Amino acid sequence: NAGVTQTPKFQVLKTGQSMTLQCAQDMNHEYMSWYRQDPGMGLRLIHYSVGAGITDQGEVPNGYNVSRSTTEDFPLRLLSAAPSQTSVYFCASRSGQGYEQYFGPGTRLTVT
Amino acid sequence: SQQGEEDPQALSIQEGENATMNCSYKTSINNLQWYRQNSGRGLVHLILIRSNEREKHSGRLRVTLDTSKKSSSLLITASRAADTASYFCATASPVTQGGSEKLVFGKGTKLTVNP
Repeated sequence: NAGVTQTPKFQVLKTGQSMTLQCAQDMNHEYMSWYRQDPGMGLRLIHYSVGAGITDQGEVPNGYNVSRSTTEDFPLRLLSAAPSQTSVYFCASRSGQGYEQYFGPGTRLTVT
Repeated sequence: SQQGEEDPQALSIQEGENATMNCSYKTSINNLQWYRQNSGRGLVHLILIRSNEREKHSGRLRVTLDTSKKSSSLLITASRAADTASYFCATASPVTQGGSEKLVFGKGTKLTVNP
């Protein structure tokens, strides 16, 4: 199994641009989440999904959209990038029966 | 808002010594988990302790949980240079009506183990 994969690894955007961060998992996990990690802030939950077609907001959802059309994929869309969205983004998944979250390698995003 | 708060923020020890990290949280929980993050990598799950458990072991890891004090500790015994990483606690709280269980992470403890 590849586990949780994220693309791209690095991205630089200009203010106002939009883009989609990709996340996929091959473990048939129901739960998927997006976090952002900023220095000194730990991980903060952006959006999460408990299954295909079901998404909900986390702690810091503003400026981000998600959708979950399949069990495997959970893309995160930045609608109009702002410098405050410069961060490292992690996607994670877990099964409905388990508690352990599996994390992807992260996407380092810089907005200038 | 952050639920778990790790202490200390940074810890530097010599190889072979034990490392203890603490986590305090604010609300009732279903379980508490510890994760490790090597520099530039994603988080890796280490161990989970449920709210009705007081202590758990996994290899060189020992986790304790005191729900009356809303705190947990992670002990790494006989540390190695390869243990150098950041360690995060994460709490899972009871689900509210219409909600689903989410993990809330602390800010982490940066552990450096010197050879």
